[in-house]
Amino acid sequence: QKEVEQNSGPLSVPEGAIASLNCTYSDRGSQSFFWYRQYSGKSPELIMSIYSNGDKEDGRFTAQLNKASQYVSLLIRDSQPSDSATYLCAVSGDSNYQLIWGAGTKLIIKP
Amino acid sequence: KAGVTQTPRYLIKTRGQQVTLSCSPISGHRSVSWYQQTPGQGLQFLFEYFSETQRNKGNFPGRFSGRQFSNSRSEMNVSTLELGDSALYLCASSLDSPDDTQYFGPGTRLTVL
Repeated sequence: QKEVEQNSGPLSVPEGAIASLNCTYSDRGSQSFFWYRQYSGKSPELIMSIYSNGDKEDGRFTAQLNKASQYVSLLIRDSQPSDSATYLCAVSGDSNYQLIWGAGTKLIIKP
Repeated sequence: KAGVTQTPRYLIKTRGQQVTLSCSPISGHRSVSWYQQTPGQGLQFLFEYFSETQRNKGNFPGRFSGRQFSNSRSEMNVSTLELGDSALYLCASSLDSPDDTQYFGPGTRLTVL
């Protein structure tokens, strides 16, 4: 059973600080990794995709991938109250036309 | 480019009825995936379609079915509705495979009374 694990939270972070979200996965064959943000009552929206080991930066967001340790993380710098949401990690399966999703981490940014 | 659209946005049904939900993917996207999301739960994979063919199916009973048309639009059907089917149903489209970036529609919120 392929799994993606995330700490459900809530993770509480002061405004302006760095929020660190982590995700581990079980399938060593996974090649594509995604972070989505979902506001309450809304659909998920893509924050970032990452395919190679290392860091990928986009504005205040940095995704980090370590395939050897099978984890992917998301850092949010200068956290804002508008970043308060549930963050979903998704990982490609083994060519079975399905993404494997974590249950999400609820992030709360406190003003 | 227009995003993924889903209709209807809200639906109220009673137990035993059936329902059909529709999804129009982003133009040029041929892969459509469906998910069920209940409060506090992650995304539960229902099925994925490409070129009118179901390529994968999640662990849901046979009451849940779907199809895809030649223009990549997709529908899902739930027959003999149960209270537990109340959920947000999400459709996501991607170019050729779920491994490509998936873009979500706004969802259909189904309430079964």
